Amino acid sequence: DVKVTQSSRYLVKRTGEKVFLECVQDMDHENMFWYRQDPGLGLRLIYFSYDVKMKEKGDIPEGYSVSREKKERFSLILESASTNQTSMYLCASSPSRDPLEAFFGQGTRLTVV
Amino acid sequence: SQQGEEDPQALSIQEGENATMNCSYKTSINNLQWYRQNSGRGLVHLILIRSNEREKHSGRLRVTLDTSKKSSSLLITASRAADTASYFCATDGSYSGAGSYQLTFGKGTKLSVIP
Repeated sequence: DVKVTQSSRYLVKRTGEKVFLECVQDMDHENMFWYRQDPGLGLRLIYFSYDVKMKEKGDIPEGYSVSREKKERFSLILESASTNQTSMYLCASSPSRDPLEAFFGQGTRLTVV
Repeated sequence: SQQGEEDPQALSIQEGENATMNCSYKTSINNLQWYRQNSGRGLVHLILIRSNEREKHSGRLRVTLDTSKKSSSLLITASRAADTASYFCATDGSYSGAGSYQLTFGKGTKLSVIP
């Protein structure tokens, strides 16, 4: 059974903290994605990666960075967490060729206080 | 910017009725996919339709694609209470510079099926 696993289901952090959200996939997929989901705004792409050490900015990269040192792991980093980064964060992976179906993790609900 | 826009934002129907959701997008695509999300969970892939296809079926799901109008629709027939969820369309277009695919989602349609 294919799996995308996010390290935490719920997370509470303080303003100014450095926050790491980890995502691991076991399907040998080339592509990995980080989205944030907010009510009324749907899913917005933060960053994606198409290979190890490769990354591309999505629609809302400000305040975030990513790391992909190994193919199976894609980390989202909030350098200095702020309250407007309180959100649901979703990680996904997909192959680079057909079929391009994406598999999602269960999500991390991050609250910054 | 977000590629897909679903319509309506919310839909409430009785069990047994059909549910139709629409998606419009802005630029050319390779494929269009539909996903489902149960409350507070990750998304699950439902069906993919390629840009050269017009219609596709999977069980109680029927998807149409009109590339000239840049729109797609998802029809769920004979709905059940268990179909209550949010539904998203997603488009993928080649990312010019890297050759990879950027998967972009819309805001979703929240479907409520009343028993």
